[in-house]
Amino acid sequence: SQTIHQWPATLVQPVGSPLSLECTVEGTSNPNLYWYRQAAGRGLQLLFYSVGIGQISSEVPQNLSASRPQDRQFILSSKKLLLSDSGFYLCAWSVSRSAFNSYNEQFFGPGTRLTVL
Amino acid sequence: AQSVAQPEDQVNVAEGNPLTVKCTYSVSGNPYLFWYVQYPNRGLQFLLKYITGDNLVKGSYGFEAEFNKSQTSFHLKKPSALVSDSALYFCAVRDMGTNAGKSTFGDGTTLTVKP
Repeated sequence: SQTIHQWPATLVQPVGSPLSLECTVEGTSNPNLYWYRQAAGRGLQLLFYSVGIGQISSEVPQNLSASRPQDRQFILSSKKLLLSDSGFYLCAWSVSRSAFNSYNEQFFGPGTRLTVL
Repeated sequence: AQSVAQPEDQVNVAEGNPLTVKCTYSVSGNPYLFWYVQYPNRGLQFLLKYITGDNLVKGSYGFEAEFNKSQTSFHLKKPSALVSDSALYFCAVRDMGTNAGKSTFGDGTTLTVKP
């Protein structure tokens, strides 16, 4: 069976410090991978998605970046955190079919709650 | 462009009563539609999806949803609510031609089932 891991579960960082959140998926290969941010327990904002190693698409210009160094590893980073980066960060994966006909649901990790002070 | 709206921030029902959580969508082509549930401080869990075929889709935990193309809606329903159904529910839409299966999520509806 497939599982998705995120760590850390919670993180408190000062403004201006760097960030690295990690997501790994087990039990599948060549998944589509996604990073979302959820503010105040409401809607999800898609930050990045990836259809393969080294292939990253950014949805919203911002203070964050993403990398996919391995097939099932997705990393969210920042060089200098802002107060507005606080939120609940969710990683998700979906089965990769044709890039233009993917009707597969997404499977979400447990999330990382980031507080920037 | 694709978008989804969940017109109700909060839905309150009594245990044992039927529940409906509303969702309307907008896509340029044919939609794929999804419902997810989120419990506090957890990731989202997939409930059900509509791809094609029967307009009534059945999913996990006794939930079902009805696709209505003319009204561009995909309302989530359950005949008899349980207290344990209390959670945050998200509707999501994906245009059939969307690259990488990107979905657009609604803002969520908090369902509270009272005993």
